[in-house]
Amino acid sequence: NAGVTQTPKFQVLKTGQSMTLQCAQDMNHNSMYWYRQDPGMGLRLIYYSASEGTTDKGEVPNGYNVSRLNKREFSLRLESAAPSQTSVYFCASSDLGGSPLHFGNGTRLTVT
Amino acid sequence: AQSVTQLDSQVPVFEEAPVELRCNYSSSVSVYLFWYVQYPNQGLQLLLKYLSGSTLVKGINGFEAEFNKSQTSFHLRKPSVHISDTAEYFCAVSDLDDYKLSFGAGTTVTVRA
Repeated sequence: NAGVTQTPKFQVLKTGQSMTLQCAQDMNHNSMYWYRQDPGMGLRLIYYSASEGTTDKGEVPNGYNVSRLNKREFSLRLESAAPSQTSVYFCASSDLGGSPLHFGNGTRLTVT
Repeated sequence: AQSVTQLDSQVPVFEEAPVELRCNYSSSVSVYLFWYVQYPNQGLQLLLKYLSGSTLVKGINGFEAEFNKSQTSFHLRKPSVHISDTAEYFCAVSDLDDYKLSFGAGTTVTVRA
């Protein structure tokens, strides 16, 4: 069982470059999420998609965009990377409200 | 949205000793509560969850947590830890009508022989 798959695992960008983080789940979950993890701050929600065709801002959406391509895939785009976006990014999915999140293994992004 | 406070950022503990990780959340409305564990360079795994019913919840690897609505707390315990329990632990909360999960800052548990 693949679960939630994120690509790439590691990425180094220069300030101003763009990139897209990919996420796919094979559990037929309705909801998908993007979090960032920074030391001492836990996980903060960037964007989420409650169901296919919908996306909403989370706690820290500035500098990011998302696309829910289909039920399986939810991508996160950085249009113009900044050093403040250096972080570990996690994609997650869940079924109904109250269901636990299933996490990918993360993308470690460094912006220089 | 809920805010979640994990009262200890670091907890050193000796092998076979008990451990308690404290978690408080902001609102007394009905909530779903979770504890996750993150081993180094991995994603988060679910330890246990409280949705309704008994306030004492048992999870994987011998962990349990107690929900206290009046104190808005969900503390995690294990009576005897192993070296392999060294990890970061996150408490998370969502309101019943909300898809979004709010996480605490995490507690790093280091188990020493």
